[in-house]
Amino acid sequence: GAGVSQSPSNKVTEKGKDVELRCDPISGHTALYWYRQSLGQGLEFLIYFQGNSAPDKSGLPSDRFSAERTGGSVSTLTIQRTQQEDSAVYLCASSLSGPTDTQYFGPGTRLTVL
Amino acid sequence: AQSVTQPDIHITVSEGASLELRCNYSYGATPYLFWYVQSPGQGLQLLLKYFSGDTLVQGIKGFEAEFKRSQSSFNLRKPSVHWSDAAEYFCAVGPNTGFQKLVFGTGTRLLVSP
Repeated sequence: GAGVSQSPSNKVTEKGKDVELRCDPISGHTALYWYRQSLGQGLEFLIYFQGNSAPDKSGLPSDRFSAERTGGSVSTLTIQRTQQEDSAVYLCASSLSGPTDTQYFGPGTRLTVL
Repeated sequence: AQSVTQPDIHITVSEGASLELRCNYSYGATPYLFWYVQSPGQGLQLLLKYFSGDTLVQGIKGFEAEFKRSQSSFNLRKPSVHWSDAAEYFCAVGPNTGFQKLVFGTGTRLLVSP
């Protein structure tokens, strides 16, 4: 079946602009994660959604970052007033649920802030 | 604080030679442990995972890893490397309860020479 998809694959924006990144998880997966991969760094957890529960936002680096998940499926990560340090690859992952279920990652969105 | 250390940024191995990628972690409790591989332009793919039981775990593509609690290590091995194994490898840890909020290492880039 289809894997996790993300759009756009690449996004170039100017400093101060808002951007929206989209993630379509695998059908039936109730858990959805966002990570950020900066150059030379490992992946950094941003936010986690599980079903209709309140999301865990503990990894969001600032209040310029927000995310929502509509209908328990598609998720959008929004970065307001982008800064150059926001340049990174943003990865989305989904899993069935729980700590033993494999996270399946999408190909990522490469964000470049000029 | 939870952390994962992958001390080798780059490793070059001849095709057909054996491979060992190192991973050490710092975690408050017994974690779940993972190895992911990221090929150029691809999302992360799970190679193997350790939850409990036998400390030697087998994964896909001929990889294996051994959990050594006394050394807080989870090294990845392969007896004979193929050119297609050239990629970046990430070690990650996560809690054994709740959701899989993974903490990743900074990755090891594997180069395979002919």
